[in-house]
Amino acid sequence: GESVGLHLPTLSVQEGDNSIINCAYSNSASDYFIWYKQESGKGPQFIIDIRSNMDKRQGQRVTVLLNKTVKHLSLQIAATQPGDSAVYFCAEISGTYKYIFGTGTRLKVLA
Amino acid sequence: SQTIHQWPATLVQPVGSPLSLECTVEGTSNPNLYWYRQAAGRGLQLLFYSVGIGQISSEVPQNLSASRPQDRQFILSSKKLLLSDSGFYLCAWSPDSRGEKLFFGSGTQLSVL
Repeated sequence: GESVGLHLPTLSVQEGDNSIINCAYSNSASDYFIWYKQESGKGPQFIIDIRSNMDKRQGQRVTVLLNKTVKHLSLQIAATQPGDSAVYFCAEISGTYKYIFGTGTRLKVLA
Repeated sequence: SQTIHQWPATLVQPVGSPLSLECTVEGTSNPNLYWYRQAAGRGLQLLFYSVGIGQISSEVPQNLSASRPQDRQFILSSKKLLLSDSGFYLCAWSPDSRGEKLFFGSGTQLSVL
């Protein structure tokens, strides 16, 4: 079936460096994507979204890139901070209401 | 601004006992409401969604039910909990009829013993 997956289950980065978290999706018909941040024991926090008619979208310290040709989504975090340590996962809409969520990548920020 | 409240944060219940988890959304009207379950190390599973008062759609057959007695209130229930009902339950809302801009509550960790 359709799926959304992540290339790296754990990513360790040095504080101050940039982080790149990747996500592959398989449903070429998906046209809306969200990145979430989830800290242990808490609900997912909406970070940024992007529609398929865009290739790039920027927020505060975060950038999402969408490559529809290879069905790839990435989240870039600039100047990674200790508070960025969390699990990050992507989601895509496959039909109305029906999101497909990845299992997540754990980001560890090293001091 | 809109906020979503979910409670309780943690719940320990014996097998066979009833369940009631509540979720409310503030600062918006006629939101789409959702209940998800998140198993450890796994993706989110959609359990129920609602596009309006009294309108509930179930995504998976299970021991749970949902109700929407008011526009911004969503309740997850069970008459008799099973061990397999343990998990992290998340309420979510969306202002969009399609379900875009999905925002989650803080979650309830349910342990059925």
